Amino acid sequence: DQQVKQNSPSLSVQEGRISILNCDYTNSMFDYFLWYKKYPAEGPTFLISISSIKDKNEDGRFTVFLNKSAKHLSLHIVPSQPGDSAVYFCAAIFRTGGFKTIFGAGTRLFVKA
Amino acid sequence: EADIYQTPRYLVIGTGKKITLECSQTMGHDKMYWYQQDPGMELHLIHYSYGVNSTEKGDLSSESTVSRIRTEHFPLTLESARPSHTSQYLCASSDSRSINSPLHFGNGTRLTVT
Repeated sequence: DQQVKQNSPSLSVQEGRISILNCDYTNSMFDYFLWYKKYPAEGPTFLISISSIKDKNEDGRFTVFLNKSAKHLSLHIVPSQPGDSAVYFCAAIFRTGGFKTIFGAGTRLFVKA
Repeated sequence: EADIYQTPRYLVIGTGKKITLECSQTMGHDKMYWYQQDPGMELHLIHYSYGVNSTEKGDLSSESTVSRIRTEHFPLTLESARPSHTSQYLCASSDSRSINSPLHFGNGTRLTVT
């Protein structure tokens, strides 16, 4: 039973263009959503988060949008750079779940130069 | 520069051997976690700890065990390794002062059981 779903295993984007990574969730009790980035042979690193009471959070080239009615969030990267090529994991935390973090399966982003 | 360290990075071992995966963090975090991940799949929580002498099983059933005798150290042990244990194991920690503190991950241990 996947509570956090990333339906696109991979995405290819041209350098300088926008990358949009999508994530759907099923549990309306999630309090926070996070995005992590993972390079090969390294552990995931935190990228950006958003509270369930917000609908947008921006940090430099990265913006996360939350649509609670659709149970959907997305990560926008503008402009995309070759160094952004990595696997991106969507994750969610809910306090009634003991503040555990639930992860999606990840989307591999390729940014072509 | 990693503040959470996992050793070994890679381990190939025969069936039936006992193994311990090491994880240490220097950030003073109370919360520590073990996740298991197969390629293209979600990270699954197998163990977590909210402090010294506190350990709990995660959402994914695992035959491994953990201990938390010191704040900075959270080793994972498999008493008898099997090929089904082949996977990547990721250790993480987080600051307990904020409920939305992100996880800090080590670089993982890739385990292969032959």
